[in-house]
Amino acid sequence: KNEVEQSPQNLTAQEGEFITINCSYSVGISALHWLQQHPGGGIVSLFMLSSGKKKHGRLIATINIQEKHSSLHITASHPRDSAVYICAVNAFPFGNEKLTFGTGTRLTIIP
Amino acid sequence: SQTIHQWPATLVQPVGSPLSLECTVEGTSNPNLYWYRQAAGRGLQLLFYSVGIGQISSEVPQNLSASRPQDRQFILSSKKLLLSDSGFYLCAYDRELNYGYTFGSGTRLTVV
Repeated sequence: KNEVEQSPQNLTAQEGEFITINCSYSVGISALHWLQQHPGGGIVSLFMLSSGKKKHGRLIATINIQEKHSSLHITASHPRDSAVYICAVNAFPFGNEKLTFGTGTRLTIIP
Repeated sequence: SQTIHQWPATLVQPVGSPLSLECTVEGTSNPNLYWYRQAAGRGLQLLFYSVGIGQISSEVPQNLSASRPQDRQFILSSKKLLLSDSGFYLCAYDRELNYGYTFGSGTRLTVV
């Protein structure tokens, strides 16, 4: 069983829909990251969380440390949001030198 | 501003040939540097990380090596490439935990 699990693996939605991607982890962490990988392969760091909630534009990320769960929400989704979204954690006893990755969620937004 | 440069963007190399991928960071000092690989259809895998000049930690045994000759330069190398070395290689850095990671644009390596 992977230490970081994401669901769903694939998600197709219509433009404008509210999107939720989930991440569960089984290890103690110091931080959780949401990354976005575009078709060309480049990766952008969206959020780093250790507690609570963060918002950037139409993206919202939440984390529940007790439940070891995080969600990434996209409001008013747009075709340009189509990408692979990856959850990753800094797991104890490691520090920031090691990220443990989920397998990603492929999001496709249809116009 | 802080930026990270990685080159080349794509590379096709024959089996048995050497490899050198370079990554440089600008606008920050003493970053932690990382090399990741993403095989086709797979997730990201940490290959090497470095917390300082000449300090390299390897995560998995493999046909690759890494070096950090300068504070903001990280090089991924191989003496003889294998077919299984094909993949998408990403360099990344972070200054400290609270600032998150910044990734390079990646190198798509095909070993033929």
